[in-house]
Amino acid sequence: QSALTQPASVSGSPGQSITISCTGTSSDFDSYNYVSWYQQYPGKAPQLMIYEVSNRPSGVSNRFSGSKSGNTASLTISGLQAEDEADYYCSSYTSSSTLVFGGGTKLTVL
Amino acid sequence: EVQLVESGGGLVQPGRSLRLSCTSSGFTFGDFAMSWVRQAPGKGLEWVGFIRSKTYGGTTQYAASVKGRFTISRDDSKSIASLQMNSLKTEDTAVYYCTRGFRNFAYWGQGTLVTVSS
Repeated sequence: QSALTQPASVSGSPGQSITISCTGTSSDFDSYNYVSWYQQYPGKAPQLMIYEVSNRPSGVSNRFSGSKSGNTASLTISGLQAEDEADYYCSSYTSSSTLVFGGGTKLTVL
Repeated sequence: EVQLVESGGGLVQPGRSLRLSCTSSGFTFGDFAMSWVRQAPGKGLEWVGFIRSKTYGGTTQYAASVKGRFTISRDDSKSIASLQMNSLKTEDTAVYYCTRGFRNFAYWGQGTLVTVSS
């Protein structure tokens, strides 16, 4: 099971919007909508930011949004803030009842 | 408040075994699948596997990289999920996280470091 493909890094200035892509195969995403996104600060456990493609857990800012088209899922962060600087990972529950993560994207706020 | 606390990490030689435990509280443990996710130093997240709740048979799924070497089990009476790791390799060196669920993970433990080295 290969990892989902994410850009290694993205950057943006405060107030701007950025989008992180997450590309897989048809078997990774299949007809399921179990795509999730996690934020991770150095030395900390990941935090769920988006689940089932576009749903935000309670307490997550509405500046974070998710979408999916075909075999590519996307995380968009609007109104970028310094505190958004972190690593971001996508994941997908697959048709084989396994789960796969993306390689991770380091977000730098300029 | 949901809490997941991993224990059992440490330094182990290649080829040896180690057992990690995840003690849970704040929710009805038996109602949920439990998963393990690991992260090698400086690397990304890697799914290890999960165990379904007894309602769904308590069956397990594993990543190809650990299948046949790692075993996930659960003790619902003690709210503990365990990860038995056999035939450890240097590439198994990682922080191991316990998480609740199997499709997405809203709750994570703090992680426990496993170092496989001679």
